[in-house]
Amino acid sequence: AQTVTQSQPEMSVQEAETVTLSCTYDTSESNYYLFWYKQPPSRQMILVIRQEAYKQQNATENRFSVNFQKAAKSFSLKISDSQLGDTAMYFCALLHPGGSNYQLIWGAGTKLIIKP
Amino acid sequence: DTGVSQDPRHKITKRGQNVTFRCDPISEHNRLYWYRQTLGQGPEFLTYFQNEAQLEKSRLLSDRFSAERPKGSFSTLEIQRTEQGDSAMYLCASSRVNEQFFGPGTRLTVL
Repeated sequence: AQTVTQSQPEMSVQEAETVTLSCTYDTSESNYYLFWYKQPPSRQMILVIRQEAYKQQNATENRFSVNFQKAAKSFSLKISDSQLGDTAMYFCALLHPGGSNYQLIWGAGTKLIIKP
Repeated sequence: DTGVSQDPRHKITKRGQNVTFRCDPISEHNRLYWYRQTLGQGPEFLTYFQNEAQLEKSRLLSDRFSAERPKGSFSTLEIQRTEQGDSAMYLCASSRVNEQFFGPGTRLTVL
C-alpha cells in the first residue's frame, strides 16, 4: 500500500529563520512524483514544489527546496528566510502516474506557524 | 490562465436535502478530481475524470454521491439525502499532466 507520513503535526519558528518539514513515504513503484502543497488558513491549496522520482537533483523554487532521499523514501521541505505569509498547513503528497488512477496520496499535514 | 473555480463557496443545508456543487477546471485540463477535506486533515480522494469518463471512484463515495462531467469540461458533484457527517470542504482539482491545481473549495455545513 502507498502511504505518506508527516510526523510533525505542528511547528513554529521565528520570522527569517529556516525550517524543515519532514515527510516519508512508502511505495513499491519506481515511477512517481512527490509534491508539497501549502494551504493557508481559510484559503485554497497551492502547489509549492514538485519532484520527479527519476531525477536525482533536488527541486528548488525560490526560498523552497527539498531534500529527496530516494533510498530512504524521505522527502523533506526546507523553507529559507521564513516569512509571515508562510504560515499555513503543509501537505506532502505522492502520485503514481499512468493507468486509470491519478489520485494523490496525502500526508496528514504539518501546521507551520511563523512568529513575528 | 484563470484557475479552477468552484461554486458555491459555502452551502448550508438541512439534513435530508440534496445539494449540488459545480467545478470549472482550468481550460485544456483533461483531468478533473474531487476530494473531501475535514478540518485539520488532508484531502481524501473521491473521484477522478479523464475528459468525460469517470475512471475511478473511491469506496468512500456512498451511493448518495454522484459526479458527472458531461462534456469533459465542468463537473458537478451531487449529494443526495445529506447527513451531518457530510459536512466538510469539497475540493476540486484539475491537471493536464501530473500537477494538480486546486480550486477554492465548497464548504458544506449540514444542520
